[in-house]
Amino acid sequence: TQLLEQSPQFLSIQEGENLTVYCNSSSVFSSLQWYRQEPGEGPVLLVTVVTGGEVKKLKRLTFQFGDARKDSSLHITAAQPGDTGLYLCAGPTSGTYKYIFGTGTRLKVLA
Amino acid sequence: EAGVVQSPRYKIIEKKQPVAFWCNPISGHNTLYWYLQNLGQGPELLIRYENEEAVDDSQLPKDRFSAERLKGVDSTLKIQPAELGDSAVYLCASSSHQGQDTQYFGPGTRLTVL
Repeated sequence: TQLLEQSPQFLSIQEGENLTVYCNSSSVFSSLQWYRQEPGEGPVLLVTVVTGGEVKKLKRLTFQFGDARKDSSLHITAAQPGDTGLYLCAGPTSGTYKYIFGTGTRLKVLA
Repeated sequence: EAGVVQSPRYKIIEKKQPVAFWCNPISGHNTLYWYLQNLGQGPELLIRYENEEAVDDSQLPKDRFSAERLKGVDSTLKIQPAELGDSAVYLCASSSHQGQDTQYFGPGTRLTVL
């Protein structure tokens, strides 16, 4: 069974700090996605990484896919209160179109 | 373009009662998903439709859950009878077609079973 484990589970930081969230698996994924979910809303796709070692940037967010395609990280530079939310990684299970989601990292950025 | 619409947004029922959730996907999207999300956790797939066909319902507890997607557009998820452990957020998502990796999620229905 493919699993995605995220760490840390909770993170509370001050505005302006940097942080990194991790998504790990013992299985290889053809691609991984990162979502952000705000309270009372559904997850919104931020990025998809598909190549081992790939780095993608979205303003202050930097996403990296591990060389072996078993892990990914999300780094936020100079966090802002608007970054507050639940960050989820997700990936397709082998040979299917079924996506599994990670356990989530709940981020709170204090002003 | 309108997003995925779900209703109701909130539902409170007593255990053993039936409940139904409705989802209208983005126009033209062939693939529709129902997920269950417990507090602070990631969504878990319940069922996936490709047009009107349920192509993956392996995680749907069929003794009490049922779903339909008539005419390949709107979908309804039903629970009968509801149990305390069914309290969760039920999310609907759609994508343009199977294998298209961008899923668009609705706001969800928060179910509380008393």
